[in-house]
Amino acid sequence: SQQGEEDPQALSIQEGENATMNCSYKTSINNLQWYRQNSGRGLVHLILIRSNEREKHSGRLRVTLDTSKKSSSLLITASRAADTASYFCATVQTGANNLFFGTGTRLTVIP
Amino acid sequence: DTAVSQTPKYLVTQMGNDKSIKCEQNLGHDTMYWYKQDSKKFLKIMFSYNNKELIINETVPNRFSPKSPDKAHLNLHINSLELGDSAVYFCASSRATGTVRSYGYTFGSGTRLTVV
Repeated sequence: SQQGEEDPQALSIQEGENATMNCSYKTSINNLQWYRQNSGRGLVHLILIRSNEREKHSGRLRVTLDTSKKSSSLLITASRAADTASYFCATVQTGANNLFFGTGTRLTVIP
Repeated sequence: DTAVSQTPKYLVTQMGNDKSIKCEQNLGHDTMYWYKQDSKKFLKIMFSYNNKELIINETVPNRFSPKSPDKAHLNLHINSLELGDSAVYFCASSRATGTVRSYGYTFGSGTRLTVV
């Protein structure tokens, strides 16, 4: 299966804490992307990291990629209640042109 | 203006019926997709069209037929609906095939299909 897997499946933290979500995948990739899905909404693209990059930042988001371990992590710093959502990693396999999504992590930030 | 819009947002129908979901994007993107999200939130690609041409057709029952009248529209028609078709269907678009290596997708807000 090309599907990625995310860990944990669910995460609950207090506002102001940091949240870390992990993603593992199985094949060689061109890039890995993270998306957020609020309840009842579509997915929103957050950040893309290429296979030759190890770390990328965007605002309060920090993404790392370890291609040797076929894993990535998404860190959200200083979390806010509005960060409550499901977070998905998605990979573009080498030579492919479409996204394969992971199973998602449900993040709840308690005010 | 909504970048990728889907209609209807909710669809409740009986088994055996035929229904359509419409999708339109105003981003000028060349490539559009249909994804199915099941009850466990797993997203699986169904179809992809690039400039009105079918380029990805995953293992999907023949009852599902996509149609792209132009590159801004990708509709999904489902014949003889079954209980197992209940899911949320998402339309998405990207600048062009291959640009997913540099850019992400833009998703619609989804159509929740319930078959009773």
